[in-house]
Order: sequence, then structure tokens, then C-alpha cells
Amino acid sequence: QVQLQESGPGLVKPSQTLSLTCTVSGGSISSGGYYWSWIRQHPGKGLEWIGYIYYSGSTYYNPSLKSRVTISVDTSKNQFSLKLSSVTAADTAVYYCARDMRLGVDYWGQGTLVTVSS
Amino acid sequence: EIVLTQSPGTLSLSPGERATLSCRASQSVSSSYLAWYQQKPGQAPRLLIYGASSRATGIPDRFSGSGSGTDFTLTISRLEPEDFAVYYCQQYGSSPPTFGPGTKVDIK
Repeated sequence: QVQLQESGPGLVKPSQTLSLTCTVSGGSISSGGYYWSWIRQHPGKGLEWIGYIYYSGSTYYNPSLKSRVTISVDTSKNQFSLKLSSVTAADTAVYYCARDMRLGVDYWGQGTLVTVSS
Repeated sequence: EIVLTQSPGTLSLSPGERATLSCRASQSVSSSYLAWYQQKPGQAPRLLIYGASSRATGIPDRFSGSGSGTDFTLTISRLEPEDFAVYYCQQYGSSPPTFGPGTKVDIK
């Protein structure tokens, strides 16, 4: 059973960089076939796809966030990470890491609330 | 970017009734790339349907998906108490992947 767990600060100051890590267990990122994604959900709102990374390191980002997003992977630790720079209150959301099979997201982390506030 | 519209916004039904949820896309979506999710309060979404009509692992057969082009439907044949939740559609046919705004199925 694949499990994903987000970790990182729950509070980030405006203009700073949000950093989250997702640790994958029960399966190897290096095995290929899946895209490791970040998705967020603003409080009480719908879902927004942020971007994904493949085990090889290739990435794709949502154009609406592309200038501020970096997703990286550490296959030795079976982790992938999200960095979102220059955050504002509009970036306050629950952030999910997920395994994306390109036909649907079949495994999700529990989600972590990140609040942007001074 | 493909915009997904879901209707109705809220569906009020009783256990045992049939639920029909609609997802309409602003452009044609390949059926292979349309998914449905269920989300309960405080939980991550759960994949129900992928490829427009294929049930994900462990999903009961009361859930079914259909449709093509720009119009897709999720049907719950007989609502169980645990089915009251918010349902989202998602498309992968065009980048970036996008989600619909959701349909809330609540108890009448």
C-alpha cells in the first residue's frame, strides 16, 4: 500500500518561500510509471493542480504558478519537494502530495495546511 | 486551459435514491483523461473513476461514469450514507490538468 506524507512549516510569512516535502512509502519513486504531483485546495474551495515531477527529474508546472514553483525529487530518500516563492495570503491552502498515473490521482497524502501570515 | 463546469452545485437526496452528477468541459476531452473524485470533510479526495468509465480499485459498482467529448456523468445508483460528500471531475486531456468546482451531495 503506497502512502504519502507531507511535511513542512504550517506558517509562512508573506514574500517568503513555502517549502514542503513528501515522503513516499510502500512504493519507489524510481520505479517509474507515475508522476509525483502537488495539488492544493484553498479553504472551502476546489482543487488546483500545481505541478508534477517524474523520477527522471522532468517537470511540468501549472502556467499560473510556473514563475514561482520548483518541484524536485530525491530518489535516494524516496521524497519529492515543493518550493513556492514570493507567497501571499492567496497561497494559504491545504497542500497535497499525490501519485498521479496520468489517468487519475490514485494515492494522496493527508494534506497539510499552510497559512501565509505575518 | 480547459474549464470544467459541474452541475448541480448541490444535490439534496435521500439514502437509496439515484444521484446523477454532470461535468461539462469548455473543449472536447479525450475520454481516457476524465476522472471523478469523492471528498469528505477533512479528508483528501479519493479516486472513483478514471478514463471516464473505469472504476478505481475498491470502488463499489454503484458508482459508474459515462460520457464523451464535452459531457460526462457520474451516477451513483443507490446512495449509501457514506456517499454524501463532494464530487469533483478532473481532465488530463489538455495541460494543465484542471478540476471542476465540485458538486455537493447532501442528505435531504
